[in-house]
Amino acid sequence: SQKIEQNSEALNIQEGKTATLTCNYTNYSPAYLQWYRQDPGRGPVFLLLIRENEKEKRKERLKVTFDTTLKQSLFHITASQPADSATYLCALSGRSGNTGKLIFGQGTTLQVKP
Amino acid sequence: DAGVIQSPRHEVTEMGQEVTLRCKPISGHNSLFWYRQTMMRGLELLIYFNNNVPIDDSGMPEDRFSAKMPNASFSTLKIQPSEPRDSAVYFCASSRPEGGVSTDTQYFGPGTRLTVL
Repeated sequence: SQKIEQNSEALNIQEGKTATLTCNYTNYSPAYLQWYRQDPGRGPVFLLLIRENEKEKRKERLKVTFDTTLKQSLFHITASQPADSATYLCALSGRSGNTGKLIFGQGTTLQVKP
Repeated sequence: DAGVIQSPRHEVTEMGQEVTLRCKPISGHNSLFWYRQTMMRGLELLIYFNNNVPIDDSGMPEDRFSAKMPNASFSTLKIQPSEPRDSAVYFCASSRPEGGVSTDTQYFGPGTRLTVL
């Protein structure tokens, strides 16, 4: 069955360092992979999308890589700040033309300490 | 844009009671999703609609759960009868194709925190 794995343990880093979060998947060939941020008591918020034919995507301090051979995505936050503390979810979507269903990972909680 | 609107934000009820959760998607979005989130199971898709038509309800846990979308601007998720194990945060999300291609990016509401005693 389809499975998505994210670091279950919280990631604690010092302000200014680069945070790297991992998303691995099995038994799936997604057309897109997305990353969302979720703060306590709020719904997930979309951050970045990367397509299966893209290796890397950047947005300000965020960078996402997508390796379809390894079936893995890495999410980087450079020059991290305490305000980046949140839970980050990866989500996989189906083949192009799919009706829109996403499968979410459990999420990794990031804590950035000043 | 007001974003996805959900009501109520919090609901406390007793076992056996009927619960109705409501969602208004973003105007112009043609897909609507209902999720349930718990610490143990994470974010689970319950059901989703395209153009008001239910497409996949395989995530609906039991017949006690039902969802409707009578028009493009309103959807309900009903639990009858409710049980303590239904306690969770329920999210509604919506999306739309961009440039004719669905990238499946979803916009979530604030959620309804349901507690069944």
